[in-house]
Amino acid sequence: AQSVTQLDSHVSVSEGTPVLLRCNYSSSYSPSLFWYVQHPNKGLQLLLKYTSAATLVKGINGFEAEFKKSETSFHLTKPSAHMSDAAEYFCVVRARTGANNLFFGTGTRLTVIP
Amino acid sequence: DTGVSQDPRHKITKRGQNVTFRCDPISEHNRLYWYRQTLGQGPEFLTYFQNEAQLEKSRLLSDRFSAERPKGSFSTLEIQRTEQGDSAMYLCASSLEGGVLEQYFGPGTRLTVT
Repeated sequence: AQSVTQLDSHVSVSEGTPVLLRCNYSSSYSPSLFWYVQHPNKGLQLLLKYTSAATLVKGINGFEAEFKKSETSFHLTKPSAHMSDAAEYFCVVRARTGANNLFFGTGTRLTVIP
Repeated sequence: DTGVSQDPRHKITKRGQNVTFRCDPISEHNRLYWYRQTLGQGPEFLTYFQNEAQLEKSRLLSDRFSAERPKGSFSTLEIQRTEQGDSAMYLCASSLEGGVLEQYFGPGTRLTVT
């Protein structure tokens, strides 16, 4: 079965500094991986997705993630944090090949300090 | 707005009562999913429909839970004889068939069972 582990439950950065949110996955085959963001009182929004094409994936709002098979990682990064980035971020994996549901990590809360 | 909508946004009910939630997916999406999210956790898959057919159910979906999508458009999720442990955010998502499951989420219905 697929699973993801988000290594930090809470990350705090200063505005304008880089963001790194860590995610490790376990999979017996090539996974489909996603990052979603959840702002308070708003629905989950897809940031980016990895689908076995390019290993460096660019998403919305300046975020990107790199798929590293050797490290089983899919960390989310952004060069410069903005106040509006403060939210909960979820690393997500497709449950299994052919599955129609997603398996979410426990989330990382990002705080941006002005 | 052509996104996924859910109604109501909040529901407070007494233990033992029945509740029903509605989800309207993006109009051209033939797949619809229900997830449950408890405080401090990522969403957990409950069930999914392709058109009007319910094709998969999680073990989390006890006998007190039932979901329908009668005409392949909107869906309802009913919880009978609610328990305090049912208190959670209930999320609906929709997607197109095929591809890599780019799911679009609604804002959720927050259920509080007193």
